[in-house]
Amino acid sequence: EAGVAQSPRYKIIEKRQSVAFWCNPISGHATLYWYQQILGQGPKLLIQFQNNGVVDDSQLPKDRFSAERLKGVDSTLKIQPAKLEDSAVYLCASSPGPTTDTQYFGPGTRLTVL
Amino acid sequence: DQQVKQNSPSLSVQEGRISILNCDYTNSMFDYFLWYKKYPAEGPTFLISISSIKDKNEDGRFTVFLNKSAKHLSLHIVPSQPGDSAVYFCAAGGTTSGTYKYIFGTGTRLKVLA
Repeated sequence: EAGVAQSPRYKIIEKRQSVAFWCNPISGHATLYWYQQILGQGPKLLIQFQNNGVVDDSQLPKDRFSAERLKGVDSTLKIQPAKLEDSAVYLCASSPGPTTDTQYFGPGTRLTVL
Repeated sequence: DQQVKQNSPSLSVQEGRISILNCDYTNSMFDYFLWYKKYPAEGPTFLISISSIKDKNEDGRFTVFLNKSAKHLSLHIVPSQPGDSAVYFCAAGGTTSGTYKYIFGTGTRLKVLA
C-alpha cells in the first residue's frame, strides 16, 4: 500500500513570495490533515478535510494560508505572502475516518523563508 | 496553554536497557492516545496506541501505559536498540467544537547508545 506522498520535499523562498505544497493521501482515506511543525515543537493542526469538505480550520491563518481538496483526494496548501515565521515543516497526514483512526504522515515539506 | 506535554526534551539509554518516555495531558476529554516515532527528514511513523478504557497496550518491544487519574502516559521500549534512536511524539485525541482532533506533544529525542 502506497503511503502519503508530498511534494516538494524542500522549498526556499523569500518573504512576501508565494508557495504551494501538494499532498496525495493513502488511497481510500477520507480524512486529510495539514500540520505545521516548527523546529523544536510538535505538529500543529492547520486544517482538516473530510472528503472534500473542511471540518476544522480554526488554526489556519486565513489571511495568508489557504487549502483545498478538490474531488476529495489530492490537496494543496498555499501560503501567500510568506513570512519569516512560516519557516517550518509542513506535514500532510491521512486517516480512514475522522475520529480515533490512526493518522499516517507523509515525509513533509521543509519550507525556509528568507 | 499546552494541553499535551513531554517534559523531557532528550533521553539517553544504553543498548539493551529500558527506555521510558513520558507524556502528560491536562484535558480529561482526551480518550485516545498515539505514539509516533520520527527520524530526521521523514514524517512521523505510527508506533502504538491506547484507548482510555485500557491502562496498558503492548506490541512487541513497545508498551504504553495510561494512568487516567494522573493524566499521564508512558512508552516503554525493552530492550532498547540503536535503531530506536529518534524523536518520539505522543498525541492525545478528543472532540473539541464538534471535531475529533489530536494534540501533539513537543517530542522527546531518544538516543540509544551502543
